[in-house]
Amino acid sequence: SQQGEEDPQALSIQEGENATMNCSYKTSINNLQWYRQNSGRGLVHLILIRSNEREKHSGRLRVTLDTSKKSSSLLITASRAADTASYFCATDTGRRALTFGSGTRLQVQP
Amino acid sequence: DTAVSQTPKYLVTQMGNDKSIKCEQNLGHDTMYWYKQDSKKFLKIMFSYNNKELIINETVPNRFSPKSPDKAHLNLHINSLELGDSAVYFCASSQEGQSTGELFFGEGSRLTVL
Repeated sequence: SQQGEEDPQALSIQEGENATMNCSYKTSINNLQWYRQNSGRGLVHLILIRSNEREKHSGRLRVTLDTSKKSSSLLITASRAADTASYFCATDTGRRALTFGSGTRLQVQP
Repeated sequence: DTAVSQTPKYLVTQMGNDKSIKCEQNLGHDTMYWYKQDSKKFLKIMFSYNNKELIINETVPNRFSPKSPDKAHLNLHINSLELGDSAVYFCASSQEGQSTGELFFGEGSRLTVL
């Protein structure tokens, strides 16, 4: 079974709306990271949140982490068509590689 | 300058053939990885190397052999290709620390086995 699972699998919103994606994981972590993947491209790092942090912001991105529930959320505010991509959470569990989920496909309609 | 570059970007080949994918990073990172992304977009770690030393070798068939001639290069050789090997293979690198930090990914190599 996967360490990280994103929810929903797919999300379609209108430009200007907020997009929220969730990630659940199973084992304890050192940190949790979010990545973005445009179609046909490699993954790009968005933000890292450590296990002792609860919330982090970067521009229009807001990430929360609840280690008691083993879950994280990524909020993209005031979405743009250019935000259309797949978003992945990845966990560092100390095994010296990140474990990824299968991602949330976000479609932002102009 | 491309930070992590992998070649080729596309690879179409017949079952049973042997092929290689090359990866180079110019970030000075200590650790390099190969990930496989399947048709459902699930990204799975295959190997990781730290300073040319194999750190992680997931349950990957021994038809897959990584080779790291130096810490800036991690190549992937695949023998006797099978249909199920069709996927996108991503190389990545990171700076070793107490925890695994940001990964820098290449653009991927799409392998199609016919």
